[in-house]
Amino acid sequence: SQQGEEDPQALSIQEGENATMNCSYKTSINNLQWYRQNSGRGLVHLILIRSNEREKHSGRLRVTLDTSKKSSSLLITASRAADTASYFCATPRDAGGTSYGKLTFGQGTILTVHP
Amino acid sequence: DVKVTQSSRYLVKRTGEKVFLECVQDMDHENMFWYRQDPGLGLRLIYFSYDVKMKEKGDIPEGYSVSREKKERFSLILESASTNQTSMYLCASSLSALNWGSPDLFFGDGTRLSIL
Repeated sequence: SQQGEEDPQALSIQEGENATMNCSYKTSINNLQWYRQNSGRGLVHLILIRSNEREKHSGRLRVTLDTSKKSSSLLITASRAADTASYFCATPRDAGGTSYGKLTFGQGTILTVHP
Repeated sequence: DVKVTQSSRYLVKRTGEKVFLECVQDMDHENMFWYRQDPGLGLRLIYFSYDVKMKEKGDIPEGYSVSREKKERFSLILESASTNQTSMYLCASSLSALNWGSPDLFFGDGTRLSIL
């Protein structure tokens, strides 16, 4: 089952611009994670936001979470060509699986940053 | 540096073969996962293991089995490979979180498997 759905599916921007990706999910969650995947590689964890947090920052990343709308956004500021990758949101599959890291991933947003 | 290592980056096998995909993690993580990734379908969980010799089916376990004889190693087995199992296979591991947490997953670089 696909819990998270990212929007847009693909995003193309110039270096220096900001990139915003959105994620919607269906059921109640206690946290949401964002991952990045470079072409042909595995996923790398970027950031986790808990349900009692509205916003979280990590370097050039800013994540928001709106539990009333069941949505999250990932903003990458001052993008670089090296940010070119696919970005996925992930939510716990079920309350019982939360502590194990059992996650459901969205289909991802493909971000291309042109130099 | 933490590491999840998948034995092959690329693998080509024939229909009907028994295929083994190996994954090893050096972080002493309790939990290990196998996902497959297909265009338009995202990542789908095949199997999950939370301890040695313990396993749990994910969303798409049909045609697959797993083995976890040692904590650091989690193997995915395609019992009789079919062309619809051509895919990217990703192994991941995690620690169990305490209290109100949800641990990060650490992924290997994947095995791109082609079944001819």
